[in-house]
Amino acid sequence: DAGVIQSPRHEVTEMGQEVTLRCKPISGHNSLFWYRQTMMRGLELLIYFNNNVPIDDSGMPEDRFSAKMPNASFSTLKIQPSEPRDSAVYFCASSLQTGLGYTFGSGTRLTVV
Amino acid sequence: AQSVAQPEDQVNVAEGNPLTVKCTYSVSGNPYLFWYVQYPNRGLQFLLKYITGDNLVKGSYGFEAEFNKSQTSFHLKKPSALVSDSALYFCAVRDTNAGKSTFGDGTTLTVKP
Repeated sequence: DAGVIQSPRHEVTEMGQEVTLRCKPISGHNSLFWYRQTMMRGLELLIYFNNNVPIDDSGMPEDRFSAKMPNASFSTLKIQPSEPRDSAVYFCASSLQTGLGYTFGSGTRLTVV
Repeated sequence: AQSVAQPEDQVNVAEGNPLTVKCTYSVSGNPYLFWYVQYPNRGLQFLLKYITGDNLVKGSYGFEAEFNKSQTSFHLKKPSALVSDSALYFCAVRDTNAGKSTFGDGTTLTVKP
């Protein structure tokens, strides 16, 4: 298996633009997690899905953030409109069952200028 | 509620010396415990986990961790550190009744030649 695949690896965008981050979890994993990592705040859980259903989105910072999981093999995290303070590395992770070991993707480094 | 603490932001050791990265946790039920490592510009990688059974868990790259229920700790250890072990280490915990893991703030390990 190729692991958790995230795209793009790097994204530079201007303030106010829409940004879409993509994630393909490991086949067969039924839980998917979106994290954000910054120097100031560390690793933050934004939202997680179980069997494609959002379970906990309490970490989503604002209404500008939204996430979807239309099927078991694909998820998106969208920021609209983006702001400079959204600059961070965004990680997607998946697991076979909620709470067992996670497999993380390589992350998307987002820079909003 | 569940929580995890990594009391040291940084740990410095000399190559060849033993290393310990500390982790304590709090859960209402029984814990599942995990260690992850993050190398620069990479995603988190799973190192080892404790679910049940033997309190001493062995993982990747020669690391091991000991589950101590009375002290609610799960310290990461390695008998002989390598320069290549230098990275950011995260401890995580999940209560058996919870749907997700909670991660610590991370400890930066630096191994000097």
